[in-house]
Amino acid sequence: DAGVIQSPRHEVTEMGQEVTLRCKLISGHNSLFWYRQTMMRGLELLIYFNNNVPIDDSGMPEDRFSAKMPNASFSTLKIQPSEPRDSAVYFCASSRGSMNTEAFFGQGTRLTVV
Amino acid sequence: GENVEQHPSTLSVQEGDSAVIKCTYSDSASNYFPWYKQELGKGPQLIIDIRSNVGEKKDQRIAVTLNKTAKHFSLHITETQPEDSAVYFCAATSVGRSGGSNYKLTFGKGTLLTVNP
Repeated sequence: DAGVIQSPRHEVTEMGQEVTLRCKLISGHNSLFWYRQTMMRGLELLIYFNNNVPIDDSGMPEDRFSAKMPNASFSTLKIQPSEPRDSAVYFCASSRGSMNTEAFFGQGTRLTVV
Repeated sequence: GENVEQHPSTLSVQEGDSAVIKCTYSDSASNYFPWYKQELGKGPQLIIDIRSNVGEKKDQRIAVTLNKTAKHFSLHITETQPEDSAVYFCAATSVGRSGGSNYKLTFGKGTLLTVNP
């Protein structure tokens, strides 16, 4: 298995533009997590899905952020409109979904909003 | 919700020495405590985990201890090598808002470990 695949690896965009980050889960995993990593705040959980259903989105900073799972193996995180403070590394991770199981992380997308 | 504190934020050791990273958590219901290693430009990768029914677990040069009463757990790396240099994260699970089998993993702020040759 190729592991969790994220695209793009790097994204530079202008303030106000829409940004879409993509994630492909490991086959057989049914939980999907989106994290944001910054120097100041560390790794923050934004949202997680179980069996394609959003379970907890309390970490989503504001309405400009939205996440979807159109099918069991793919997810998108969208920021519209983007702002410079959204600059961070965004990770998605997947797991088999039951409590106490390992979460496998992708390589991350480094987002820079100028 | 869960709050995980991690110390120290940076740690520098000489090759061959031991390194210890400590974490505390707030939610007494948490029962799974993984440790992740993140190398530059990569995503975090699980290196060892411990469950609340176990007080200690060891895997070669890495060991974790858990004290549920005090709500703290630690990572111990012995005979450190330069390739151990990375950022290490502790984490704890708490049951998500909808309960049941859904959960969220809360991370500490990370420890930058530097092993000097």
